Amino acid sequence: DGGITQSPKYLFRKEGQNVTLSCEQNLNHDAMYWYRQDPGQGLRLIYYSQIVNDFQKGDIAEGYSVSREKKESFPLTVTSAQKNPTAFYLCASSTTDTSYEQYFGPGTRLTVT
Amino acid sequence: AQSVTQPDIHITVSEGASLELRCNYSYGATPYLFWYVQSPGQGLQLLLKYFSGDTLVQGIKGFEAEFKRSQSSFNLRKPSVHWSDAAEYFCAVGGISNTGKLIFGQGTTLQVKP
Repeated sequence: DGGITQSPKYLFRKEGQNVTLSCEQNLNHDAMYWYRQDPGQGLRLIYYSQIVNDFQKGDIAEGYSVSREKKESFPLTVTSAQKNPTAFYLCASSTTDTSYEQYFGPGTRLTVT
Repeated sequence: AQSVTQPDIHITVSEGASLELRCNYSYGATPYLFWYVQSPGQGLQLLLKYFSGDTLVQGIKGFEAEFKRSQSSFNLRKPSVHWSDAAEYFCAVGGISNTGKLIFGQGTTLQVKP
């Protein structure tokens, strides 16, 4: 079955540690996205990539980093510079034609204490 | 700047009653519009989308939405709500600067009373 996988479902870290969230897709989509979701704030775009080895900052990129070495994979690193990292993180992918229809993974809930 | 407003944070309806969730957008060009649904702790599922053409679009699970350019709205409707429809619903606008970026509203939580 084609889809997007995010692992792990739940992640716990101590403050000051970097943590990497995994996102893999087998939909053969060129574009991938990372969103952060906080209660009452909808989804906010962190980073997006429309092609391998290229990515752009979204609206809240500070304290995050990404890489896109393979078409299928778009890992997100939450660094110690992110002031409020506890959140629900969603990965999505889409084609790069005019549809812009994004398919979402199941999400990773990150808790930093 | 582009934006999406969902005026209702929380809505409660009785099972079998009709439903309308409101969405207003701000975007200079013709928008691509989407409605997504999210169950607790899960990812988002696309309900329906509008790109052009017929302003009344049909989606999955019996949902429909109507694009009204004059009102900058894209309201989601369902004639008869089922208990399984309880979830959070997000409206989004896309097609921004020829990228896949989506701007999401804050979401509306739907509660269904038996």
